Amino acid sequence: ELKVEQNPLFLSMQEGKNYTIYCNYSTTSDRLYWYRQDPGKSLESLFVLLSNGAVKQEGRLMASLDTKARLSTLHITAAVHDLSATYFCAVDMWVTGKLIFGQGTTLQVKP
Amino acid sequence: GAGVSQSPRYKVTKRGQDVALRCDPISGHVSLYWYRQALGQGPEFLTYFNYEAQQDKSGLPNDRFSAERPEGSISTLTIQRTEQRDSAMYRCASSLAGGRKETQYFGPGTRLLVL
Repeated sequence: ELKVEQNPLFLSMQEGKNYTIYCNYSTTSDRLYWYRQDPGKSLESLFVLLSNGAVKQEGRLMASLDTKARLSTLHITAAVHDLSATYFCAVDMWVTGKLIFGQGTTLQVKP
Repeated sequence: GAGVSQSPRYKVTKRGQDVALRCDPISGHVSLYWYRQALGQGPEFLTYFNYEAQQDKSGLPNDRFSAERPEGSISTLTIQRTEQRDSAMYRCASSLAGGRKETQYFGPGTRLLVL
């Protein structure tokens, strides 16, 4: 059974600090997605990582994928309040688009 | 429309009633997915379609749940004889072509409350 685990589940950090969210999954896959969800809102696509070693950056967020370690990271650089949200990683193991999501990491950035 | 739309946005029903949830995907998107999201959790896969064909329904919890997409566009998720445990946010997503390297775009969801 494919399991996707994120840690931490909750992260409170100061503005200007750096931090990393980890996403581990239990079965081989080379397709990993990161989504952002604001309270009461839908999921917004952030990154699609499609190969080992893939790295993508958008603003203060950078995502990477290590398929051998079955690990993806979402790195936050110099956090700002606007980044406060819940971040989900999701894995597509069967190459069908059937996504298995992690539990989510709720990020709270304090001024 | 610009994005995935779902209706109704909120549905309150009594236990034992049937409900139908509608999803209108992004125009031209081949693949359509249904997920269920409990509070504080990630979305959980229910079923998906390529065009009008249901490709995988392994995530449907039991036979009270069914879905269709008869013309390969709008989809309906039906829950018969609703139970309180069915209360959740039901989300629909669509992608240009499933099974490839496509992003899934999510709709706003339908919040279902079964009393």
